[in-house]
Amino acid sequence: GIQVEQSPPDLILQEGANSTLRCNFSDSVNNLQWFHQNPWGQLINLFYIPSGTKQNGRLSATTVATERYSLLYISSSQTTDSGVYFCAVDPFMDSNYQLIWGAGTKLIIKP
Amino acid sequence: KAGVTQTPRYLIKTRGQQVTLSCSPISGHRSVSWYQQTPGQGLQFLFEYFSETQRNKGNFPGRFSGRQFSNSRSEMNVSTLELGDSALYLCASSPGTGANVLTFGAGSRLTVL
Repeated sequence: GIQVEQSPPDLILQEGANSTLRCNFSDSVNNLQWFHQNPWGQLINLFYIPSGTKQNGRLSATTVATERYSLLYISSSQTTDSGVYFCAVDPFMDSNYQLIWGAGTKLIIKP
Repeated sequence: KAGVTQTPRYLIKTRGQQVTLSCSPISGHRSVSWYQQTPGQGLQFLFEYFSETQRNKGNFPGRFSGRQFSNSRSEMNVSTLELGDSALYLCASSPGTGANVLTFGAGSRLTVL
């Protein structure tokens, strides 16, 4: 089945820094989503981005479907950005309607 | 509109007991998925229900079961609890057709003693 790999696994930054998180997938996908899980466990859907670029405030995401990767950019990091970032893909040839998840990138923003 | 509501938020059980968790999806959403997340782990898919039918199932023992009602609300049940069942149980809803965009509830944190 399709493999989803996220890098780096851990990232520690000072407040105000910029960061780039990467999600690689091994086969064609119908769509890709980025999620943020805060320290209390709440998962928030950040982007639904099967291809192209989207921006929402300090966050933006780019998916290059032909090269099978997606990037999540966080600019001017704030402590509230801390948490785990997951990407999840919907496999192109899989009709089971089940997302395949990466292991996540744990981001810590220090004040 | 209201988000995904999970109840209870926290609960403590002892080994051998059983537990039922509830999830009310976003109005109009027909699909409910359940995930288990243990400390430091990613999300493990349990099952997905669409229009009262289990459409997908993850690799969990038969002690884990679920159901969906005609109003799309879903429950999951874990019988004969084990210490390893201690986890955050997350429910997500989606329209169920077309784009599979998930919206998660706040989770139910289960501790088994």
